[in-house]
Amino acid sequence: EPEVTQTPSHQVTQMGQEVILRCVPISNHLYFYWYRQILGQKVEFLVSFYNNEISEKSEIFDDQFSVERPDGSNFTLKIRSTKLEDSAMYFCASSLDYNEQFFGPGTRLTVL
Amino acid sequence: EDKVVQSPLSLVVHEGDTVTLNCSYEVTNFRSLLWYKQEKKAPTFLFMLTSSGIEKKSGRLSSILDKKELFSILNITATQTGDSAVYLCAGRYRYNNDMRFGAGTRLTVKP
Repeated sequence: EPEVTQTPSHQVTQMGQEVILRCVPISNHLYFYWYRQILGQKVEFLVSFYNNEISEKSEIFDDQFSVERPDGSNFTLKIRSTKLEDSAMYFCASSLDYNEQFFGPGTRLTVL
Repeated sequence: EDKVVQSPLSLVVHEGDTVTLNCSYEVTNFRSLLWYKQEKKAPTFLFMLTSSGIEKKSGRLSSILDKKELFSILNITATQTGDSAVYLCAGRYRYNNDMRFGAGTRLTVKP
C-alpha cells in the first residue's frame, strides 16, 4: 500500500542552525502539507502546497519557514534559523484531492 | 475563533466495553470532519464525514456527524487493547486545505 515517507526520523540541531526535513508524498497525490505537534499538544497546520506553490499557510509559518518541491517526488520543509520552540514532531501529509490526507511517520526535531 | 473541542480528554476502559468519543466544532466555511487514530507517531485516517446523519462504519468503529448541532461522535464497540491510542478529530475548511485539529481523546483499553 502506498505511504508517505519522511526522513530523518529524528534530527537534533543547535539553535540558530538551518534544518531541512524531507518527505516523499504518495506518488499520484497532488496536495502536500506540513503539520507540527509539540510534545503533548495539538497537531497544528503549517502549510499546504499545490501546483508548485503554497496554497495556504498558518500564522505559525513565518519567514523562517519555507517549503519546496525540488523534483517530482520530494517535498521539503526548511527552517532557516531554528529556535528552541521549534522542537516538535513534524508531519508531512498528502492527498489526492480535497478529501482525506495521509500522514507520514513524522520527523522529531530537537533544538538544543 | 475557529475551534475543535474533543471530550473526554482521557478515557480508561476494559476490553469489551463500548466507548463514545465526542467532537464539537466551530469552523467557518466547514467542509468536512475527519477522525484519525494516533498511536505512536503519525495519525492514521479513520473516517471523513461530510453529510449530516449518515453513519460511517468500519468494523467495530462507527461515526456520525450532526451539522446542525456541530458535533460528531466516534463509537468503538467491543474495545480491544489495540484500540488504545489518541483519537483526533479535525474540521476541514471548504475553500482551503487547512484542517483544525482537536486536542484528542486518549483512550486506554485495559485487558
